[in-house]
Amino acid sequence: DVKVTQSSRYLVKRTGEKVFLECVQDMDHENMFWYRQDPGLGLRLIYFSYDVKMKEKGDIPEGYSVSREKKERFSLILESASTNQTSMYLCASSPPTATNYGYTFGSGTRLTVV
Amino acid sequence: AQKVTQAQTEISVVEKEDVTLDCVYETRDTTYYLFWYKQPPSGELVFLIRRNSFDEQNEISGRYSWNFQKSTSSFNFTITASQVVDSAVYFCALSGANSKLTFGKGITLSVRP
Repeated sequence: DVKVTQSSRYLVKRTGEKVFLECVQDMDHENMFWYRQDPGLGLRLIYFSYDVKMKEKGDIPEGYSVSREKKERFSLILESASTNQTSMYLCASSPPTATNYGYTFGSGTRLTVV
Repeated sequence: AQKVTQAQTEISVVEKEDVTLDCVYETRDTTYYLFWYKQPPSGELVFLIRRNSFDEQNEISGRYSWNFQKSTSSFNFTITASQVVDSAVYFCALSGANSKLTFGKGITLSVRP
């Protein structure tokens, strides 16, 4: 069964901490994505990557950075966590051209910044 | 720029009613893909359907059906004879030439017994 795995389901961090959210996929997909989901706002794209060491800003990149050193792993980094980054974070992967099954999503990480 | 509009925010129906979830999209790409996802209370996004811009055939899968109309830039989703298990948040999404997946804000569907 193909999978996108996010390392933590729930996370609580303090304001100002550096936070790493990890995502691993086992499908050899080229594309990987980070979204955040907030009530009433849907899913908004933070960053995406088409290949190892490549990254592009999404719609709301401010306050975030990413790292993709290996094809299967895409990390989202909050350099200095703030309370307005409390949210559900979803990772996804896809082949270069979305196939019949489209994008595969992880289960999400619910991050609370206190 | 891509945009997906789901004007309905919350819908509540009684079991066995039919319900239609609306989706309107905007894109400048000639080749694009439209998706519907379901997010049950457990939180995981479940893929329901993908259509490409060249295939306007409607699709039916059990109680689910989708109506794609390029002329009105709409991709609506109908659940026939709704069930309590259909209660979830439903997202319409659009992917264009750059593979970015843009979501609508979602529709919360509640099906009451």
